[in-house]
Amino acid sequence: GAGVSQTPSNKVTEKGKYVELRCDPISGHTALYWYRQSLGQGPEFLIYFQGTGAADDSGLPNDRFFAVRPEGSVSTLKIQRTERGDSAVYLCASSLSREGNEQFFGPGTRLTVL
Amino acid sequence: DAKTTQPNSMESNEEEPVHLPCNHSTISGTDYIHWYRQLPSQGPEYVIHGLTSNVNNRMASLAIAEDRKSSTLILHRATLRDAAVYYCILRDPRGGADGLTFGKGTHLIIQP
Repeated sequence: GAGVSQTPSNKVTEKGKYVELRCDPISGHTALYWYRQSLGQGPEFLIYFQGTGAADDSGLPNDRFFAVRPEGSVSTLKIQRTERGDSAVYLCASSLSREGNEQFFGPGTRLTVL
Repeated sequence: DAKTTQPNSMESNEEEPVHLPCNHSTISGTDYIHWYRQLPSQGPEYVIHGLTSNVNNRMASLAIAEDRKSSTLILHRATLRDAAVYYCILRDPRGGADGLTFGKGTHLIIQP
């Protein structure tokens, strides 16, 4: 079956612009996670959704970052007033439930802020 | 989640077993030990997890010390495709923080 997909695969933007990154989780997975990975580092947790609600957004670095999941399936990560330090690979993962032991990751979106 | 310590890198030969260590001296009684790996230019991939007993699956084996302060991921016969960064992660399924806490992991190099 289809895995987690993320679009776009690459996004180049200019400092100060607004970007949206999309995640399509595996069908039926109620838990969805966003992570950010800088070069040479492990992924860093940003936000977790259980269904439509953000159950844990403690990893969002500041209020320029926001994510939604209005119908409990597709999620969009939104970054306002992008900064060069936001450049990273943004990863999305889903699991069958919060208690699910395995998170399935997408290939990521590489964001470059010039 | 409690912290884990792994070597930065390890090297092994193709078709030989590989033992990847992980120290987690501050593990709590409800923390599960998870392993993920990340191949170049891909998202992380689940490998295995366990609580107290050793675990086996089609990808690997997980050996957990009796005091649970360390564990070892075992690849029984490494192939070139196993070259990746391997992450050892502790996760309490009852905890409030639901995201995985990745460290820098171990970069496994496989020589042909």
